Amino acid sequence: EIVLTQSPATLSLSPGESATLSCRASQSVSNYLAWYQQKPGQAPRLLIYDASNRATGIPARFSGSGSGTDFTLTISSLEPEDFAVYYCQQRSNWVTFGGGTKVEIK
Amino acid sequence: ELQLVQSGAEVKKPGESLKISCKGSGDTFNTYWIAWVRQMPGKGLEWMGIIYPGDSDTRYSPSFQGQVTISADKSINTAYLQWSSLKASDTAMYYCARQVASAFDVWGQGTMVTVSS
Repeated sequence: EIVLTQSPATLSLSPGESATLSCRASQSVSNYLAWYQQKPGQAPRLLIYDASNRATGIPARFSGSGSGTDFTLTISSLEPEDFAVYYCQQRSNWVTFGGGTKVEIK
Repeated sequence: ELQLVQSGAEVKKPGESLKISCKGSGDTFNTYWIAWVRQMPGKGLEWMGIIYPGDSDTRYSPSFQGQVTISADKSINTAYLQWSSLKASDTAMYYCARQVASAFDVWGQGTMVTVSS
């Protein structure tokens, strides 16, 4: 099973600041890496697929990069609605999710 | 555009059986893989397995193989997740989601299952 490790566990930032979230895989997943946003009481929402492609309707302030084992989700300027939990997910070998990064208001 | 609508919250006792559903509407449900994802209270996401409703081809995560059964009825655009004997540790939110290539792009609203004596 491929293990995805997300860091940091919690990111405390202010609106307008930039957020950088990391996801590291225990072995290469090529570019089969997606990112999701989840707010309390809601289902996850797809943000990025295939490491760097924004899903339909996702604002340009969200961007993804990386390949192989190291991936990054960047939110260029945090809006109030961006404070949430973010998960990475791989589909290279079965499907696994990372443990999540909570982006909270500082 | 596909929408996935899940059945309502359930409260069950240990040892009881349960079948929850995920109904697709607005698009060609039977031509996409539908996955089930568990989220235990306060925890992360866990992929349980996946089904192709068109021919009921099903794959299970090793962690859930033998613990649950995934099925589908393509005539009514519905996928199911069922348990034959629930445990307290099955208490969780369960989501269905459409898998397209390497990601899950459409999600149901979730079904909360509570197992308590």
